[in-house]
Parts: sequence; C-alpha cells; structure tokens
Amino acid sequence: EPEVTQTPSHQVTQMGQEVILRCVPISNHLYFYWYRQILGQKVEFLVSFYNNEISEKSEIFDDQFSVERPDGSNFTLKIRSTKLEDSAMYFCASSEWGDSKQPQHFGDGTRLSIL
Amino acid sequence: SQELEQSPQSLIVQEGKNLTINCTSSKTLYGLYWYKQKYGEGLIFLMMLQKGGEEKSHEKITAKLDEKKQQSSLHITASQPSHAGIYLCGADRSGTYKYIFGTGTRLKVLA
Repeated sequence: EPEVTQTPSHQVTQMGQEVILRCVPISNHLYFYWYRQILGQKVEFLVSFYNNEISEKSEIFDDQFSVERPDGSNFTLKIRSTKLEDSAMYFCASSEWGDSKQPQHFGDGTRLSIL
Repeated sequence: SQELEQSPQSLIVQEGKNLTINCTSSKTLYGLYWYKQKYGEGLIFLMMLQKGGEEKSHEKITAKLDEKKQQSSLHITASQPSHAGIYLCGADRSGTYKYIFGTGTRLKVLA
C-alpha cells in the first residue's frame, strides 16, 4: 500500500540553526500538509499546500517556517532559526483532494530535538 | 474555535474485552476521522465518517457518528494486544483543509 515517507526519523540541531524536514507524499496525491506534536500534547496543524502554494496556515507557522515542493516528489518544511520550543514530532500528510471526502494519510514523523 | 474532547484519556482492558472510546465536538462535524498512533510513530488511518448516523466497521473496530454529527464513538470488540496504542479522532470544517485533533485515548490491552 502506498505510504507517506519522512526523513530523517530523528534530527538533533543546535538552537539557531536551520533545519529541513523532508517528505515524499503518496504519488497521486495533490494536497500536502505539515503537523506537529509537542510531547504529551495534541497534534496541531501547521500548513497545507496545493498547486505550489500555501492553502492555509496556522498562527504557529510564522516567518521562521517555509514549505517547498522542490521537485515532483519531495515536500519540505524548513525552519530558519530553530528555537528550543520547536522541539516536537513533525508529521507530513497528503490527501488525494482537499475536501472532507478524502482522508489525510500521515507519515511516521520526524522527531526534532533542539539543543 | 472548535475543540474535540476524547474520553476516556486512558484505558486498560483485559484481552477479549470490549471497549468504547468517545469523541465529542463543540460544533457540527463535517468529516470525522479516526487514527491510531503507536508511541513515537505516525498516525495510521482507520476510518472516516461523514454522514449523521453513519457507521463503519473494519475487522473488530466499529465507528459511529451520531445524527447531530457532534459525537463519534469507536468500539473495539474482543480486544487484542495488537489493538494497544493511542486512538485519535480528527475533524475538519467545511472549506478548510486542516484537521483538528482530540487529546487522544491511550489504550493498553493486558494479555
């Protein structure tokens, strides 16, 4: 069964450094998402992306964050200058369409640890 | 803003027992999604409910959405250790692409 893949599984970075999290969505999916889960808390929406544009973003997704689809298969999340509070599990998801009829499928996540 | 509340927060059952997890919304749901998460891993899609009164089953798991589309339940029949994990309900609002998630229910099944 096709799946969303994320790399790396664990990233350790010094505070203030840039980090790029990578995702390969399911191949025929058109909508892509990033979520994060701080340890012990709810899964929170960050951003959705369609047709090379951000469709929606949350208040968490400030100027330090950016997303990109650099080629036909990868979808990346960049954090420009990491802070301690960015430590979390980051999940990429994709869906065939963006409406309620299509569930989002999630990857296994990247655990980001900021030192 | 819409919130999803799940109950119970945690559940420990003996293998073979039935159990129910509830998800309640403060507003009408347009799509309700159940996921399972193993500790430190990703979210595995289980089922999607859209219509009031809808019920779906997969293997020993049944999910229902009430007529008012504000409450959903997930029922596991004859639980097994493989059912252990964190069950999350997620929902979206019409016109948006984002899901909000409940706090999760941590299930442990004792062999």
